[in-house]
Amino acid sequence: SAVISQKPSRDICQRGTSLTIQCQVDSQVTMMFWYRQQPGQSLTLIATANQGSEATYESGFVIDKFPISRPNLTFSTLTVSNMSPEDSSIYLCSVDAGADTQYFGPGTRLTVL
Amino acid sequence: GQQVMQIPQYQHVQEGEDFTTYCNSSTTLSNIQWYKQRPGGHPVFLIQLVKSGEVKKQKRLTFQFGEAKKNSSLHISATQTTAVGTYFCASPDTGRRALTFGSGTRLQVQP
Repeated sequence: SAVISQKPSRDICQRGTSLTIQCQVDSQVTMMFWYRQQPGQSLTLIATANQGSEATYESGFVIDKFPISRPNLTFSTLTVSNMSPEDSSIYLCSVDAGADTQYFGPGTRLTVL
Repeated sequence: GQQVMQIPQYQHVQEGEDFTTYCNSSTTLSNIQWYKQRPGGHPVFLIQLVKSGEVKKQKRLTFQFGEAKKNSSLHISATQTTAVGTYFCASPDTGRRALTFGSGTRLQVQP
């Protein structure tokens, strides 16, 4: 199974600022995913990030707000831009583990004041 | 897009009691997966069901996939405190690897 790390593990930010979350995998993977989990809620897919192509965003999420980079097969970043308190969530990256299953990173717990 | 409904939202049981969570979809699912998220943790893959009517067991956990591949259940017998957490069902969107998650069932176990 893949080992996934995320940085930072948590952060408290001021509104109007931006935060970049890093996701590192210990093996090469084709597909990486970014999810948001608002407090007490389920997981909502933000975008799918494939190496060498633009990220594919889900309805309700836009590149200007959540720019994503995928420079290689083991790394991706998600930026939460111009943050507001409504962006307070857990942000999770995951990778394709085969047969449509996924491994998840430990998450980044973001609080926006 | 695809929607997967999950019930109940929350369940509190005494240690030793059984627990069941259910997922339902209006469309046929290619497969259904179950994940567990401990408090403060991240979702961890438990199992995948692919075939119509499939039943799989993991120790005290029994997973079922409906005959029509539109519903699934997770049953825990004689629940222990280690079962505490939120259980999510998830299924891939048609033609994609991305997963749609159910709303989750949060399980509390009273010792």
